[in-house]
Amino acid sequence: NAGVTQTPKFRVLKTGQSMTLLCAQDMNHEYMYWYRQDPGMGLRLIHYSVGEGTTAKGEVPDGYNVSRLKKQNFLLGLESAAPSQTSVYFCASSYSGLQETQYFGPGTRLLVL
Amino acid sequence: DQQVKQNSPSLSVQEGRISILNCDYTNSMFDYFLWYKKYPAEGPTFLISISSIKDKNEDGRFTVFLNKSAKHLSLHIVPSQPGDSAVYFCAASANQAGTALIFGKGTTLSVSS
Repeated sequence: NAGVTQTPKFRVLKTGQSMTLLCAQDMNHEYMYWYRQDPGMGLRLIHYSVGEGTTAKGEVPDGYNVSRLKKQNFLLGLESAAPSQTSVYFCASSYSGLQETQYFGPGTRLLVL
Repeated sequence: DQQVKQNSPSLSVQEGRISILNCDYTNSMFDYFLWYKKYPAEGPTFLISISSIKDKNEDGRFTVFLNKSAKHLSLHIVPSQPGDSAVYFCAASANQAGTALIFGKGTTLSVSS
């Protein structure tokens, strides 16, 4: 039981490049989330999903897209990376509700030059 | 505007003493509160939670107190141990459709031996 896993662990991008961050969970959770953590800013919700095939915007969705084609996977895409997207990205999942305890992955550190 | 505030960015405590981490919130609709703990280069892990129908919840060395009238909660760690050194995030949610956890900016706890 791996819980929540994220790939890659670290990535360097040039401005304008695109990439996809992958999150996978093996707990059969319905809800999945993408956060970013910046120094002094805490965790901010980018997008979330309440089930396979559904997505919704969080607090800071601009510049990101997401997809939830399979229940166990939640993908975060950056179409044209900007230096402001340099951050640590965390994926999380919860069983059945937005108020439920969330289980986090180890994070992906992204540097955009 | 911050709905969940952790006004102390850092706290230093000696081993064996009590650590008290504080959190204030502004949204009166919040009815569920959680504390997460985060070590460097790892994802946050759930520590303890409390519902608004309670004013105290205890789990081993960790106790969370909720003062609804003051919109304030606190996490007490007794006795503090060096392994407790981490960043602690307070989070809150409201039982409304479409709302997710709102995190504070975190407090870094350092426990010295």
